[in-house]
Amino acid sequence: DTAVSQTPKYLVTQMGNDKSIKCEQNLGHDTMYWYKQDSKKFLKIMFSYNNKELIINETVPNRFSPKSPDKAHLNLHINSLELGDSAVYFCASSQVLVSGANVLTFGAGSRLTVL
Amino acid sequence: AQKITQTQPGMFVQEKEAVTLDCTYDTSDPSYGLFWYKQPSSGEMIFLIYQGSYDQQNATEGRYSLNFQKARKSANLVISASQLGDSAMYFCAMREGSGNTGKLIFGQGTTLQVKP
Repeated sequence: DTAVSQTPKYLVTQMGNDKSIKCEQNLGHDTMYWYKQDSKKFLKIMFSYNNKELIINETVPNRFSPKSPDKAHLNLHINSLELGDSAVYFCASSQVLVSGANVLTFGAGSRLTVL
Repeated sequence: AQKITQTQPGMFVQEKEAVTLDCTYDTSDPSYGLFWYKQPSSGEMIFLIYQGSYDQQNATEGRYSLNFQKARKSANLVISASQLGDSAMYFCAMREGSGNTGKLIFGQGTTLQVKP
């Protein structure tokens, strides 16, 4: 009964290929995210969707296209993969707690290696 | 300028002792939130503790407490009675503004190793 699940966990591919990472949450949260963690462990937000609507789109190359078919799913498609896309991609979802904190629940991460 | 700064790349602590992980932040927004996440070697990100900018008291969650010093713009994480399972990377993060989005700005992280 994983809360935020992403597949695949590992992805090794050649430069120029197109690949997708899927994410599903069973927490009933309205908001989902994609974060990228680079080789130096630095985490940065890429996208956020609230109830299937894009609300955050950081300066990400347009080779990256998120898609949210419903509020429980947020997939990430990457076209024409480049070496610099190698990273761990985290999906997350969030809810606002009684304290007012908007706490993110992260998936286990998908490690993408581009050769 | 860095919004979140964690100046300790690596820390060691003896099992059962307390340890403080430093975090300073930079914002001109009066409304913000500060978070700490733990990333063990298995890779997942685990939420530990939250402090809102208007909260009067320091946040506590079990063995975790947040030493919030607003004037100094610091939000240090204190882990009491360290356990071997606390060995991990720890990230401080900030949410700016009152919009309460999940857009977090993360620090560089601090790797904590607990010695038996």
